Amino acid sequence: KNQVEQSPQSLIILEGKNCTLQCNYTVSPFSNLRWYKQDTGRGPVSLTIMTFSENTKSNGRYTATLDADTKQSSLHITASQLSDSASYICVVSAGTGANNLFFGTGTRLTVIP
Amino acid sequence: EAQVTQNPRYLITVTGKKLTVTCSQNMNHEYMSWYRQDPGLGLRQIYYSMNVEVTDKGDVPEGYKVSRKEKRNFPLILESPSPNQTSLYFCASRERQGWSRAFFGQGTRLTVV
Repeated sequence: KNQVEQSPQSLIILEGKNCTLQCNYTVSPFSNLRWYKQDTGRGPVSLTIMTFSENTKSNGRYTATLDADTKQSSLHITASQLSDSASYICVVSAGTGANNLFFGTGTRLTVIP
Repeated sequence: EAQVTQNPRYLITVTGKKLTVTCSQNMNHEYMSWYRQDPGLGLRQIYYSMNVEVTDKGDVPEGYKVSRKEKRNFPLILESPSPNQTSLYFCASRERQGWSRAFFGQGTRLTVV
């Protein structure tokens, strides 16, 4: 069964600290993995995409990693800011088609001053 | 500006009163989808469309209808809303390529009393 699991469910950190969010998946065939950021009351927005051949990709203070062998991905946030408070959703794409996206339930990150 | 526009943003209605949530995208995307987002369950696909006049059921289609008469529009219809359809709804669109990212609307918070 195609599944995407994220941990932790929620996380509270102090402003300026780093944190790492985890995503484990059992989706097959694997096409790519995206991390989305969802601010409260808004739709998700793509942060980064990881394909099978990529291990690490950075987007500003966000760094995503992918281990295709263990089917794990992480999103590392450096020097957190209050604006990083949001839900982060891991989405794995399986092959082609409009119904080929598998969503994690997200990690709710709260950055406090 | 590339965007997906949903209306209305908020809606309170009574059980059994038909309603339509509109969705429009300006990116000429072939794929469009409707999702509902509930606490602890993440985003679940209701219906999707791969092109004009081509629609299919997602994971939770019961109680919903859709139509795709034009490429840019993909309305969600609740013929007889029930309280268990109280949720946050998102429309999304993307290109047909497997690596393409999804663009989400701002969401519609629906309450059925």
